[in-house]
Amino acid sequence: GAGVSQTPSNKVTEKGKYVELRCDPISGHTALYWYRQSLGQGPEFLIYFQGTGAADDSGLPNDRFFAVRPEGSVSTLKIQRTERGDSAVYLCASSLNGNSNEQFFGPGTRLTVL
Amino acid sequence: GENVEQHPSTLSVQEGDSAVIKCTYSDSASNYFPWYKQELGKGPQLIIDIRSNVGEKKDQRIAVTLNKTAKHFSLHITETQPEDSAVYFCAASIKNYGQNFVFGPGTRLSVLP
Repeated sequence: GAGVSQTPSNKVTEKGKYVELRCDPISGHTALYWYRQSLGQGPEFLIYFQGTGAADDSGLPNDRFFAVRPEGSVSTLKIQRTERGDSAVYLCASSLNGNSNEQFFGPGTRLTVL
Repeated sequence: GENVEQHPSTLSVQEGDSAVIKCTYSDSASNYFPWYKQELGKGPQLIIDIRSNVGEKKDQRIAVTLNKTAKHFSLHITETQPEDSAVYFCAASIKNYGQNFVFGPGTRLSVLP
């Protein structure tokens, strides 16, 4: 079956611009996670959705970052006024529900801010 | 908050030899410890996990051990193969509802033919 998909695979933008990154979780998975992975580092938690609501957004670095999941399926991570330090691979993962341990990761979106 | 350390950062082994990667965590409340394998250009993939009420778990050539007292856990890969070459991440989680993983910095494993 289809896994987690993310679009675009690569995004290059200029400092100060706005970007949206999309995640399509595995069908039927109610839990969705966003992580950020800098070069040579492990993924860093950003936000967790259970259904449509953000159950834990403690990992968002500042108010330039925002994520939505309006229908409980697809999620969009939005970054305003991008900075060079935002350059990283943004990973999305989904799990069957909030009690499921296994998270299935997508291939990520590589964001480069020039 | 939780902090996960991982060693070594790079590891090279000959094909057929064993590889061991070690992680330590700081929060004694952590109760779930997965290991992920990440190949170039792909997302991490779960290879094995262990819960805090278990000391060891094995799946074919892969095993994980957990020492709760010392707060460390290890990944063991036996009879390594070239396709085992990848970056391996350990993680720890303390949430019982929703899993906010804290990952280690990763180990780049190279299996030399």
